[in-house]
Amino acid sequence: AQKVTQAQTEISVVEKEDVTLDCVYETRDTTYYLFWYKQPPSGELVFLIRRNSFDEQNEISGRYSWNFQKSTSSFNFTITASQVVDSAVYFCALSEATSGGSNYKLTFGKGTLLTVNP
Amino acid sequence: EPEVTQTPSHQVTQMGQEVILRCVPISNHLYFYWYRQILGQKVEFLVSFYNNEISEKSEIFDDQFSVERPDGSNFTLKIRSTKLEDSAMYFCASSPSGREPTYEQYFGPGTRLTVT
Repeated sequence: AQKVTQAQTEISVVEKEDVTLDCVYETRDTTYYLFWYKQPPSGELVFLIRRNSFDEQNEISGRYSWNFQKSTSSFNFTITASQVVDSAVYFCALSEATSGGSNYKLTFGKGTLLTVNP
Repeated sequence: EPEVTQTPSHQVTQMGQEVILRCVPISNHLYFYWYRQILGQKVEFLVSFYNNEISEKSEIFDDQFSVERPDGSNFTLKIRSTKLEDSAMYFCASSPSGREPTYEQYFGPGTRLTVT
């Protein structure tokens, strides 16, 4: 069974600080997909990144970066120079291919509430 | 840019009533999903739908729930007899076809269901 753990329930930082959100996953599949979603106070789920299990290359997108390490089953997310607009709940999610390739459901972690104070 | 839409944005209903939550996935997508999020909690998978049938459902998706794609564009979630614990945000999602599940799921804005 797949599982995603986000141990940090809440994080509070001051604007311009760097912050790292942790994500640890469990899966028996050798092929899987990891995601980060942002949920601002308005409630929608905003896709941030997808990473395939066979691609451990880290990725940077502007102030966002992701560190994928299969050896520790972790997919951590760092925001550099945080801004007030980054305040949101961030979810890490895992997808395995099941049912002969007809279902790629997402298993979400419990989320981390990030508050960036001015 | 194409997007998943959901109606209504907020539904209030009395316990025991039937509700239908509606979703219009992105037009060329073939995989469809419903998730729910009880206030303050994580997003939970309810059901996946592909090729006009359910491909997987969670333990939450009991006999009170059903899904349908009645006309090739809408994707609905029906709760036959709502309970207080069904109060949650319900998200619809869709993803494109393909041999590999390398595409992200596009989520709708959600329907907040309040059961009184």
